[in-house]
Amino acid sequence: DTGVSQDPRHKITKRGQNVTFRCDPISEHNRLYWYRQTLGQGPEFLTYFQNEAQLEKSRLLSDRFSAERPKGSFSTLEIQRTEQGDSAMYLCASSSYQTGADEAFFGQGTRLTVV
Amino acid sequence: SQQGEEDPQALSIQEGENATMNCSYKTSINNLQWYRQNSGRGLVHLILIRSNEREKHSGRLRVTLDTSKKSSSLLITASRAADTASYFCAIGGTGRRALTFGSGTRLQVQP
Repeated sequence: DTGVSQDPRHKITKRGQNVTFRCDPISEHNRLYWYRQTLGQGPEFLTYFQNEAQLEKSRLLSDRFSAERPKGSFSTLEIQRTEQGDSAMYLCASSSYQTGADEAFFGQGTRLTVV
Repeated sequence: SQQGEEDPQALSIQEGENATMNCSYKTSINNLQWYRQNSGRGLVHLILIRSNEREKHSGRLRVTLDTSKKSSSLLITASRAADTASYFCAIGGTGRRALTFGSGTRLQVQP
């Protein structure tokens, strides 16, 4: 257990539905990342927050995707009008600016299946 | 696109043998990190090597970095069945905070 928790662990949804995932980072970490991982591939970067500011977004993050981090604590990732191609593992990670450490601590992920 | 490319894609060895996996990348880096992932689980950080370092050790792990060749290697010595997992290199690029991952090496250690 790295201290980063994600909820839910699994989500099955019908195509066209909206889904929302939550990530609770390690409490003293001010950096939070979302990644997406498909089977047999490495994680692909989606977006990055420093405190509550969303500082970087990947081109993978289409307009159907939105992420928030109110008050710089937990974060949510919402996918609207889900498509079968959205099926993947969604990983959240956090790291700390203050310590200057660059290592990221990952949660166990949310596995999304769109049927 | 994934900047780091691991080689080999899959590796099967006997318990007690050493496992070596390589990572190549294309752009300048701030640091390079190695992560491990058990099937269906999150990633666990193993070791970080900065661009001005050439070699680093952590327990049974040894990482080397050759910035002139834009490559890194991860050596796991005296492997155990519990080392069975996927191993990913992750590039900490200059000017970016997010990591760029390779496609991973799937290691199988036979007991």
